[in-house]
Amino acid sequence: KNEVEQSPQNLTAQEGEFITINCSYSVGISALHWLQQHPGGGIVSLFMLSSGKKKHGRLIATINIQEKHSSLHITASHPRDSAVYICAVLAREGGSEKLVFGKGTKLTVNP
Amino acid sequence: DAGVIQSPRHEVTEMGQEVTLRCKPISGHDYLFWYRQTMMRGLELLIYFNNNVPIDDSGMPEDRFSAKMPNASFSTLKIQPSEPRDSAVYFCASSRLAGGPRALETQYFGPGTRLLVL
Repeated sequence: KNEVEQSPQNLTAQEGEFITINCSYSVGISALHWLQQHPGGGIVSLFMLSSGKKKHGRLIATINIQEKHSSLHITASHPRDSAVYICAVLAREGGSEKLVFGKGTKLTVNP
Repeated sequence: DAGVIQSPRHEVTEMGQEVTLRCKPISGHDYLFWYRQTMMRGLELLIYFNNNVPIDDSGMPEDRFSAKMPNASFSTLKIQPSEPRDSAVYFCASSRLAGGPRALETQYFGPGTRLLVL
């Protein structure tokens, strides 16, 4: 079982829809990141979370440490939101930390 | 600034050949990271440098992989000999803030090198 699981793997939505992407993890973590990868490969960081909720424009990220779960929400989705969204955790391993990535969720927003 | 520069953008080679991927980090950044992305495994951190010194290479898959950073503006990732299972997109990223891989949100990613080993 992967340490970081994302769902769904693929998601197609119509412009304007509310979108939720989920990330579950099975290890103790220090932090969780959401990344966006556009077609063509460019990767940018969206959020870093260790608790609670963060909001940036139409994007909202939440994390529930007890349930080992995070969600990324996109309100009023737009075709330009089409990308792969990747969840990554900073997993605690003994006295050190290790980055573990999910396989990503491919989002397509149709006009 | 031009951002993180990687070359080549695409590489097709035959099994057994040596492959060298190149990265120029953003000027002034003192952390450099090499990642690999495949469909099967997603993104993986291979190795990272701080001030040109390798700090953690535990993600390097095997001895066929090596990475160097001879100066602050250049790094290479070499695969010798290459195998079909090395086919992937290899990303380089750089950061100027302390924290290494913890500070993923401060990393600037290059466009990647798409490698195909036949």
